Amino acid sequence: DAGITQSPRHKVTETGTPVTLRCHQTENHRYMYWYRQDPGHGLRLIHYSYGVKDTDKGEVSDGYSVSRSKTEDFLLTLESATSSQTSVYFCAISGGDDQETQYFGPGTRLLVL
Amino acid sequence: DQQVKQNSPSLSVQEGRISILNCDYTNSMFDYFLWYKKYPAEGPTFLISISSIKDKNEDGRFTVFLNKSAKHLSLHIVPSQPGDSAVYFCAASAYNQGGKLIFGQGTELSVKP
Repeated sequence: DAGITQSPRHKVTETGTPVTLRCHQTENHRYMYWYRQDPGHGLRLIHYSYGVKDTDKGEVSDGYSVSRSKTEDFLLTLESATSSQTSVYFCAISGGDDQETQYFGPGTRLLVL
Repeated sequence: DQQVKQNSPSLSVQEGRISILNCDYTNSMFDYFLWYKKYPAEGPTFLISISSIKDKNEDGRFTVFLNKSAKHLSLHIVPSQPGDSAVYFCAASAYNQGGKLIFGQGTELSVKP
């Protein structure tokens, strides 16, 4: 299994509070991604990174920001959480010999009340 | 606009028989396709992939078929086992899109003993 961890694994927060989710990899892969999974939608890309300090928006980026100051860490921030951001968040990485395939972390379940 | 579609939300198969999961796409720029398997409370696990230069790829009990003219791919599992019960996602990427994956909505496979 690819060395990807996500923290926290579960979080309950209130509307309007900031939330930061962390993805940590030990594979030294160049690319990192944040997705959210919702019923009926599969996984949708929020933001991705193609190197340290290099990030770009995905399909559903509104209300989210990201930062990548080190190869191994990719942070997802909800500046002011809303109930529509209740979801399961997955981090993924790709790179190395097989740059086409993404490998996923275990996920973070976020509930915004 | 759903670029990748899995029109069957669920599929039930008897143990030992063939499971066929289907996926359709609309974007002719997609050139790499993947299948992921997901158990509850876990991240998606990479299963098998296929490049658009091929029409078939096998890995043990799993075979993926690609029909570019129909913009259709399918995953065959033979023989199906109870441990194959999970949600299966197909995903697609285009060479010039930075590795971003577009996922289908998923099909829940149930293999009954």
